[in-house]
Amino acid sequence: GENVEQHPSTLSVQEGDSAVIKCTYSDSASNYFPWYKQELGKRPQLIIDIRSNVGEKKDQRIAVTLNKTAKHFSLHITETQPEDSAVYFCAATLGYDKIIFGKGTRLHILP
Amino acid sequence: GAVVSQHPSWVICKSGTSVKIECRSLDFQATTMFWYRQFPKQSLMLMATSNEGSKATYEQGVEKDKFLINHASLTLSTLTVTSAHPEDSSFYICSARRTSGTTYEQYFGPGTRLTVT
Repeated sequence: GENVEQHPSTLSVQEGDSAVIKCTYSDSASNYFPWYKQELGKRPQLIIDIRSNVGEKKDQRIAVTLNKTAKHFSLHITETQPEDSAVYFCAATLGYDKIIFGKGTRLHILP
Repeated sequence: GAVVSQHPSWVICKSGTSVKIECRSLDFQATTMFWYRQFPKQSLMLMATSNEGSKATYEQGVEKDKFLINHASLTLSTLTVTSAHPEDSSFYICSARRTSGTTYEQYFGPGTRLTVT
């Protein structure tokens, strides 16, 4: 089955700097890679996703890159703001199959 | 669109009793719903996949007789935690996927916090 590894587990960056979170997946057939932001006690919120036929996708300050050959995908947040502080999860799935989550990255934006 | 609700949002029950959690897709039909459990400071762990009109598929290590899942309609799935024990205390979250369309996106409910005393 699919296995998703996520690094780092904790990340602290100065406000205004960039944050990068990296994930790897095991199943080469996976074709959908969503990223979620979860605030304490709340549901995960989809912030960006990418399909395997695309190498990069950007939405304002957030971008995701995918390297299918290496089975790596990364989340990039630029110009970080205090409200970016949360736990971020990467995930991978094959089409309409179940989504497998990484262990999460706790992002702290320092003033 | 694509709103998923859960009820209750939190529940406290005594050890040995059963608790039912409902997951509803409010504005779309969902053939498939998923149930997750999340312990503090941990990731979402998939418990089971709930399919409308058929038996749920449980992940390895999840006791199907303890966590009963019923997906009786295209908008409702229920999770019943039977004979609950303190170690079952957790945040339970459901998600639903649209029956139609080409999106792979899953829509999450707000979660149910279960505390077993």
